[in-house]
Amino acid sequence: KAGVTQTPRYLIKTRGQQVTLSCSPISGHRSVSWYQQTPGQGLQFLFEYFSETQRNKGNFPGRFSGRQFSNSRSEMNVSTLELGDSALYLCASSLAKVRDQETQYFGPGTRLLVL
Amino acid sequence: GDSVTQMEGPVTLSEEAFLTINCTYTATGYPSLFWYVQYPGEGLQLLLKATKADDKGSNKGFEATYRKETTSFHLEKGSVQVSDSAVYFCALRRGSTLGRLYFGRGTQLTVWP
Repeated sequence: KAGVTQTPRYLIKTRGQQVTLSCSPISGHRSVSWYQQTPGQGLQFLFEYFSETQRNKGNFPGRFSGRQFSNSRSEMNVSTLELGDSALYLCASSLAKVRDQETQYFGPGTRLLVL
Repeated sequence: GDSVTQMEGPVTLSEEAFLTINCTYTATGYPSLFWYVQYPGEGLQLLLKATKADDKGSNKGFEATYRKETTSFHLEKGSVQVSDSAVYFCALRRGSTLGRLYFGRGTQLTVWP
């Protein structure tokens, strides 16, 4: 079974631009979560989607947004990029049906560099 | 609020040494607990998990026991290998089917031959 895939793997943008990152969950998984990883702040939760609805949101500004499609694929968007948005963005998926299936499986991440 | 505290790294060991990485948590209810590992340039891989008190998760020689009385989930391995060099993250997720993971800051492990 294929794992979580994220595209693109690497991205370079300049300040003020916007960016869209994509995540395809493991087949059959209905929940998708996004995390930002930086050396200074560690792993921080961005948001979680289930059945095309945002169920949880972390403490990030409104420049960070996301959505989930009917096939469970998800995208996140960052508008008006700032230097501090440079990070590894990780997507994770889970079955989210019963408690023992709540394990989140992570993709390889998209490394974003803002210049 | 929910949180995870991990021992500060880096941890440097010789091959075949015993490894312990301490992890304690604060959470309401009965969270599930996880250890993830991250190799250089990669995403997170699930190493092991435990979903209720006294459960022991194990994988690839690593073990961790869910201790509710001490709110701990320490990671151990009896004999580390060079290939175990990575960053290890302890995490919790509340007792529901949905919900964010709360991560510790990570512990860098380097194993020398």
